[in-house]
Amino acid sequence: SYELTQPPSVSVSPGQTASITCSGEKLENKYVYWYQQKPGQSPVLVIYQDKKRPSGIPERFSGSNSGNTATLTISETQAMDEADYYCQAWDSSVVFGGGTKLTVL
Amino acid sequence: QVQLVQSGSELKKPGASVKVSCKASGYTFTDYAINWVRQAPGQGLEWMGWINTNTGNPTYAQGFTGRFVFSLDTSVSTAYVQISSLKADDTAVYYCAREAEAGHYYFDLWGRGTLLTVSS
Repeated sequence: SYELTQPPSVSVSPGQTASITCSGEKLENKYVYWYQQKPGQSPVLVIYQDKKRPSGIPERFSGSNSGNTATLTISETQAMDEADYYCQAWDSSVVFGGGTKLTVL
Repeated sequence: QVQLVQSGSELKKPGASVKVSCKASGYTFTDYAINWVRQAPGQGLEWMGWINTNTGNPTYAQGFTGRFVFSLDTSVSTAYVQISSLKADDTAVYYCAREAEAGHYYFDLWGRGTLLTVSS
């Protein structure tokens, strides 16, 4: 079955750029989606179809997908961005990455 | 207001059954499929499958066949997941999520989740 691999944790200083990767075989051939989940809350879609932002998502969130790796980039990271982030794709079923805990310190 | 409202937390004994509901409002229920996602304590997201809100046809992910049943009551814009023969491993938060675009399998609207605890 298809697998998406994310780093368990990423740390970033406030105001800096955070990059969260998601790896999978030939991932560039699939659309990748990203969700943000804060403690005790439901996931929120922050990027769809590799690089599109839903309405209401700040411009500092961006996405890319090339080769075997998709990347969620958060520019000018704020304390409020601290959360778990999950990538997701479709390969005969919905597949989620294991999640990355973003710490802003 | 566009939202999915889920039923409240449940505490069940092993071997029992539970039915979790997900009521849609603010949009036409039959225009969007409903998916179910499970999240065990401290763990990641796990897709359980989806139900076509037009036909009622369910599709179950690997590992969610047999004890899991998706159903609908379109008269009240509500989707359900019933889980039978509960095990301790079923302890998790269960989310319903709306599929944003037909056939694209991503989710733009989530319920707040229903915590199911299975314990003797």
